[in-house]
Amino acid sequence: SAVISQKPSRDICQRGTSLTIQCQVDSQVTMMFWYRQQPGQSLTLIATANQGSEATYESGFVIDKFPISRPNLTFSTLTVSNMSPEDSSIYLCSFLAGEFMNTEAFFGQGTRLTVV
Amino acid sequence: ELKVEQNPLFLSMQEGKNYTIYCNYSTTSDRLYWYRQDPGKSLESLFVLLSNGAVKQEGRLMASLDTKARLSTLHITAAVHDLSATYFCAVDTAGFQKLVFGTGTRLLVSP
Repeated sequence: SAVISQKPSRDICQRGTSLTIQCQVDSQVTMMFWYRQQPGQSLTLIATANQGSEATYESGFVIDKFPISRPNLTFSTLTVSNMSPEDSSIYLCSFLAGEFMNTEAFFGQGTRLTVV
Repeated sequence: ELKVEQNPLFLSMQEGKNYTIYCNYSTTSDRLYWYRQDPGKSLESLFVLLSNGAVKQEGRLMASLDTKARLSTLHITAAVHDLSATYFCAVDTAGFQKLVFGTGTRLLVSP
């Protein structure tokens, strides 16, 4: 199965600052996904990142707050900008891999962000 | 808009008992996933269900899919403490573009 490495695993940040989360995959993937999991909640998709084009954001998420880069087919970053305590969550990157009948979604280890 | 609901949201059960978690979704989908999440951890893939009537089993967990009813179940047999975790179902939107997750079921298995 594919290996996906996400860092940092956790961070405590001051409000008003920004944090960039990195996600590295050991194989080339077309689309990568970024999710947010607020405390005690389910996962919500932030955006889909394709290499060579702007990310597609879901309702309620904007590029100015969550800029995403996708410089190549194995790497992506998500930045949480101008943070507030409400941004305290687990952020996860993900990608789909495999042929039609064997497609699976793989997740990074997650970044636990606490904003103080 | 695709909506995915799970019930119950919280389940406390004794070791050795059986129980079922339900996952309902609102529109046609190509596949359904079940994941396990331990506190502070990422998601561990349990099952991928592709077609109507699909049934998969791994240890004390068995998952099934009824696409006509838009319902999946995760059945727990003779629960043990190690199964304590949060379980999520997730539904793939058309064209494998993204996953929509259920609300999650927090399972606590006590001796």
